[in-house]
Amino acid sequence: AQTVTQSQPEMSVQEAETVTLSCTYDTSESDYYLFWYKQPPSRQMILVIRQEAYKQQNATENRFSVNFQKAAKSFSLKISDSQLGDAAMYFCAFTPQGGSEKLVFGKGTKLTVNP
Amino acid sequence: GAVVSQHPSRVICKSGTSVKIECRSLDFQATTMFWYRQFPKKSLMLMATSNEGSKATYEQGVEKDKFLINHASLTLSTLTVTSAHPEDSSFYICSARDPRRSTTDTQYFGPGTRLTVL
Repeated sequence: AQTVTQSQPEMSVQEAETVTLSCTYDTSESDYYLFWYKQPPSRQMILVIRQEAYKQQNATENRFSVNFQKAAKSFSLKISDSQLGDAAMYFCAFTPQGGSEKLVFGKGTKLTVNP
Repeated sequence: GAVVSQHPSRVICKSGTSVKIECRSLDFQATTMFWYRQFPKKSLMLMATSNEGSKATYEQGVEKDKFLINHASLTLSTLTVTSAHPEDSSFYICSARDPRRSTTDTQYFGPGTRLTVL
């Protein structure tokens, strides 16, 4: 079974600082996709970043970047220059290439940004 | 692009009644949509995969007779909670994939529907 683990239920960061959210996963698949979604208080799920497992290069989207370690099955999210609007629940998610197309979510990390 | 809407955003109903929630892909056609349930401060739980023109595929433990899913067109899927009870109160979220994009693996989410059963 595929599982996604987020070991940090809550994290906090000072505005303008950098924070890293951890995510590990377990799968026997060789080709898959990994995602970080953000859920602010409005509860709208927003895609933050996407990583293709066959690509060694870490994905980046402006202030958001990932550290993808395939052998270790680790997929952490780094938020640089944190802003108040970054405060949200962050969910790490996995889906295998093809197959069932299901998204498997971690339990989430609540990020607080302190002014 | 890849906008998904849900209606209503909030609904309150009496126990024993049925409630229908709509999920629409606004600017693309979605052959597959997904329905999730989210309890307070919890992660999303996949309930079912909705396929246009065919029966939905339900996850283990989800009662298909209670949570009726109809995907009648390429832009609309509906979730009907039948004979609702207070324990069905939750936040329901749908998602869809945009087949126009190269990233067809990515799900785009609706804003969710808060259901309260009295």
